[in-house]
Amino acid sequence: TQLLEQSPQFLSIQEGENLTVYCNSSSVFSSLQWYRQEPGEGPVLLVTVVTGGEVKKLKRLTFQFGDARKDSSLHITAAQPGDTGLYLCAGGGGSNYKLTFGKGTLLTVNP
Amino acid sequence: GAGVSQTPSNKVTEKGKYVELRCDPISGHTALYWYRQSLGQGPEFLIYFQGTGAADDSGLPNDRFFAVRPEGSVSTLKIQRTERGDSAMYLCASSLWASGRAEQYFGPGTRLTVT
Repeated sequence: TQLLEQSPQFLSIQEGENLTVYCNSSSVFSSLQWYRQEPGEGPVLLVTVVTGGEVKKLKRLTFQFGDARKDSSLHITAAQPGDTGLYLCAGGGGSNYKLTFGKGTLLTVNP
Repeated sequence: GAGVSQTPSNKVTEKGKYVELRCDPISGHTALYWYRQSLGQGPEFLIYFQGTGAADDSGLPNDRFFAVRPEGSVSTLKIQRTERGDSAMYLCASSLWASGRAEQYFGPGTRLTVT
């Protein structure tokens, strides 16, 4: 069974601070997708990384896929209240192409 | 373009009743997935369709759950004899093709509450 562990589970910071969220597994994934989810809504895709060591940037967000394709990180620079939400990582692969999700990191950015 | 849509957005039903949840994927997407998300958890896989056939239903918790996609587009998740433990957010996702690297796009979900 493939498992993804995210840390920290909860994170509360002040506007302007930097933060990093981690996603770790003992399994290798074909891809790693990061989503952000608002309360009562579906997850919204932020980025997909597919190559070991790959780094992608989306404005103030930087995503990295581990060299062995078992882990990933999300770094946010100068966080803003609009960044508040549940950040989910999801590993893709396997015969049925389902996504295996972590439990998420609930981020609160206080003004 | 239009994203994945799901109806209803909220469903409250009594224990023992039958419910149907509908998903309309992004036009042209061949792969469709159903996931279930409980409070404080990430989504968990239920079933995957490639075209009209259920390619993998290994995530369905028991035989009260069933899903169809008769014309390869819209899908319906059906739950018989609902139980309070079925209360959760039911999410549908679609992707252009089935691949370990294909990006899955989610709908807004249906919040099911069984009283």
